[in-house]
Amino acid sequence: GDSVTQMEGPVTLSEEAFLTINCTYTATGYPSLFWYVQYPGEGLQLLLKATKADDKGSNKGFEATYRKETTSFHLEKGSVQVSDSAVYFCALSGRAGGTSYGKLTFGQGTILTVHP
Amino acid sequence: ETGVTQTPRHLVMGMTNKKSLKCEQHLGHNAMYWYKQSAKKPLELMFVYNFKEQTENNSVPSRFSPECPNSSHLFLHLHTLQPEDSALYLCASSQVQGKNTGELFFGEGSRLTVL
Repeated sequence: GDSVTQMEGPVTLSEEAFLTINCTYTATGYPSLFWYVQYPGEGLQLLLKATKADDKGSNKGFEATYRKETTSFHLEKGSVQVSDSAVYFCALSGRAGGTSYGKLTFGQGTILTVHP
Repeated sequence: ETGVTQTPRHLVMGMTNKKSLKCEQHLGHNAMYWYKQSAKKPLELMFVYNFKEQTENNSVPSRFSPECPNSSHLFLHLHTLQPEDSALYLCASSQVQGKNTGELFFGEGSRLTVL
């Protein structure tokens, strides 16, 4: 069935460092892809999304490109801030025939901690 | 009120208690979801409701009983829970068009502790 695999965490960076969180997926057809962020004590918020191959989603300095050939949707940010410390979830919404049809399938989440 | 609101934010209950979690969405969406978030585990989808009809029950034990009286309200009734049911329970809503899930909007969650 459909699945999402994220890089193991936790990830610890210094402020202004470059961030990459890897995400790969397995799905039938061409799913929509999402990154959600969960700040401490809060629910999940959509960070960015891409609905077709080669689309680039971006928000708050974060970017991710839908790569069909490598089935990946890696999250990047050029210069992280302390306020970016959170848990990041990669997710997919599948098409007909897949197990994510009509719902989201999430990765396990990656904890990011940014130090001053 | 805007967005997705969950109450209570924190709940402590014994294994023989009966309690309920409530979720309300003010976004005009037609689908609502319950997710379970446990430490060191992926988010687990529990239930999905489209237009008040349950369309997904992800092999959830019967001690969790959902109720969706209308498109704006979703409940999770809890009875005879186990300590391993302690987790953050997240409610979400979305606007489903056909089978296109779209973006999920989440509440802040209800932190449940079962003693």
